[in-house]
Amino acid sequence: SQQGEEDPQALSIQEGENATMNCSYKTSINNLQWYRQNSGRGLVHLILIRSNEREKHSGRLRVTLDTSKKSSSLLITASRAADTASYFCATGGGSNYKLTFGKGTLLTVNP
Amino acid sequence: NAGVTQTPKFQVLKTGQSMTLQCAQDMNHEYMSWYRQDPGMGLRLIHYSVGAGITDQGEVPNGYNVSRSTTEDFPLRLLSAAPSQTSVYFCASSDRPDYGYTFGSGTRLTVV
Repeated sequence: SQQGEEDPQALSIQEGENATMNCSYKTSINNLQWYRQNSGRGLVHLILIRSNEREKHSGRLRVTLDTSKKSSSLLITASRAADTASYFCATGGGSNYKLTFGKGTLLTVNP
Repeated sequence: NAGVTQTPKFQVLKTGQSMTLQCAQDMNHEYMSWYRQDPGMGLRLIHYSVGAGITDQGEVPNGYNVSRSTTEDFPLRLLSAAPSQTSVYFCASSDRPDYGYTFGSGTRLTVV
């Protein structure tokens, strides 16, 4: 069964705008990871946030985690056409080697 | 660095045929996993391994076998292909799962 659920399923924005994607999960976690998948390609690891962290930044990416609400958000600032991709959250539980993925958000950034 | 290499990239099988999807990594990673990706379903874990000689089942293991005789290789075997196994298959590896996984570029399998 899917652990994470991303919201929205699809998001279309203009270049330069910010994009926010949300992820909700069901059980306790050790960490939450975000991945990007360009069309027809494999997944690329973007950023990881641990259960004892509330916010993390990496370049134009900002991730927040609210363990009381079992939710996370990924913010991409000043989006570019090259950010067009599907974005997945994945949760790692007690056995960190097992990741459970959500269904993804398809982000389209229009030039 | 080659990273995680999956072969073949595309494959068409007839129902009942068998085949092996290859996965190799050159990063000396202990942890390796196989996922399948279906439209609207995200990625689902098939089998995983925490080191040579150690494998275990994931969420959707039925119809698939794995083995891990070396650190580098983690092949996925379909013993008798079924149309329900039509999917894109991804292999991933990591030395520190709590730091994230490296994914291969995938194998697109069609079973007719």
